[in-house]
Amino acid sequence: NAGVTQTPKFRVLKTGQSMTLLCAQDMNHEYMYWYRQDPGMGLRLIHYSVGEGTTAKGEVPDGYNVSRLKKQNFLLGLESAAPSQTSVYFCASGDEQFFGPGTRLTVL
Amino acid sequence: GNSVTQMEGPVTLSEEAFLTINCTYTATGYPSLFWYVQYPGEGLQLLLKATKADDKGSNKGFEATYRKETTSFHLEKGSVQVSDSAVYFCALSAGGGYQKVTFGTGTKLQVIP
Repeated sequence: NAGVTQTPKFRVLKTGQSMTLLCAQDMNHEYMYWYRQDPGMGLRLIHYSVGEGTTAKGEVPDGYNVSRLKKQNFLLGLESAAPSQTSVYFCASGDEQFFGPGTRLTVL
Repeated sequence: GNSVTQMEGPVTLSEEAFLTINCTYTATGYPSLFWYVQYPGEGLQLLLKATKADDKGSNKGFEATYRKETTSFHLEKGSVQVSDSAVYFCALSAGGGYQKVTFGTGTKLQVIP
């Protein structure tokens, strides 16, 4: 089992560019989550999904969109990146929150 | 709303010292409580959990007891090792149809030989 995987691991964007982060899990979990981690602020929930075809907003959803077309995949999109979105992004799945290794995103 | 407060770090200890990282929470109802650990460059891993009052979670020599009367879930270890150096997060889950987890801001632990 690979667990939870995230691609890419690192990315640098210019302001206004778009990108998609991919999260994949092979544990057949219904719940999946996207968090961002910033110094001194812990983890904040961006969006989550309780099953294939469903998504919902978390604490800090503005500027992000998500899709869950397949149960094993949860995509996070940035339509027009801003420097405030520089962060480390973590995907998690399952009741006990199995985490992926993270994506470090820098927006210049 | 729900919140988790944990002691600020960094905490620096010598190898074999006793560790306590304080965590208190605010929540309605009866939440489940967790400790996660994050090693450098990695995602968070569940370390231990407790689902009801007076439960003790334990794993890898770490322990924490769910104290409803003091709304606390302090993490302890009797003898830390250099390999325990990491960031530790206290968290709670109040359920509500899905596992929405509220995290503390994390406490960095550095263990020196």
